[in-house]
Amino acid sequence: AQSVSQHNHHVILSEAASLELGCNYSYGGTVNLFWYVQYPGQHLQLLLKYFSGDPLVKGIKGFEAEFIKSKFSFNLRKPSVQWSDTAEYFCAVNENRDDKIIFGKGTRLHILP
Amino acid sequence: EAQVTQNPRYLITVTGKKLTVTCSQNMNHEYMSWYRQDPGLGLRQIYYSMNVEVTDKGDVPEGYKVSRKEKRNFPLILESPSPNQTSLYFCASSSGTGRYEQYFGPGTRLTVT
Repeated sequence: AQSVSQHNHHVILSEAASLELGCNYSYGGTVNLFWYVQYPGQHLQLLLKYFSGDPLVKGIKGFEAEFIKSKFSFNLRKPSVQWSDTAEYFCAVNENRDDKIIFGKGTRLHILP
Repeated sequence: EAQVTQNPRYLITVTGKKLTVTCSQNMNHEYMSWYRQDPGLGLRQIYYSMNVEVTDKGDVPEGYKVSRKEKRNFPLILESPSPNQTSLYFCASSSGTGRYEQYFGPGTRLTVT
C-alpha cells in the first residue's frame, strides 16, 4: 500500500539550531512532493513543493527540502530555527497516476526560546 | 480574498444524529477534498472530488458521504455519527491534483458523544 513515513514524531530544539525532518515514501513511480505546516490553532499551509527539475527546492520562511529519488526521501531542512517555527509539519505525496494525496503522520516541532 | 470556508467550526452532537459540515471555496477550483486529523495519525483523506458530480473515496470513507452539485461547494455528511468520528475535519481545494497546492479551510472540530 502507498505510504508516507515521517520518522520524527516530536522534535524539540533551541533557537538557532539546525533542523532536518525526515520524510520517506513508498511509491515507485513519478511523484509530486509537498511539505505543509500547521501553526498552533491555524489551518495547514504550503511550505514548499517539488514536482520536477532541481531536486533542492526552497520554500517560504527559509525552509528548503531535497528530493533524493534513490532514497525515496524528501527531507525538510532549515539552517537556523526560530521560536515562531513551532508548529506541526506534514509531508504529503501524490503519485502522478493517482488523484489521491497521502499525508504523513506529522512531526511536532517545539522551539525553545 | 481567496479562501476555503467551513461551517460549523465546532460541533458537539450525539450518536446517530445526522449532520452536515459545509465547505465552500471561491477560487473556482476543480479539486476538493475532505480530511480528518487525529493525534498520531496525521491527516487522512476521506473523500475527494475532481469536478462537479465526480467524487471518489479516499483512505477512510466509511461512515461519510459527500456530494458535489456545484463547483464551489463540497459538503461532508455523517448520516449516523459515532464516537469514533470525533475528530478535526479539514476541507481543501486546489486547481487539480498532482503538482497543485491545496488550500485548506480552518477546520471543524466535531465531538460525537
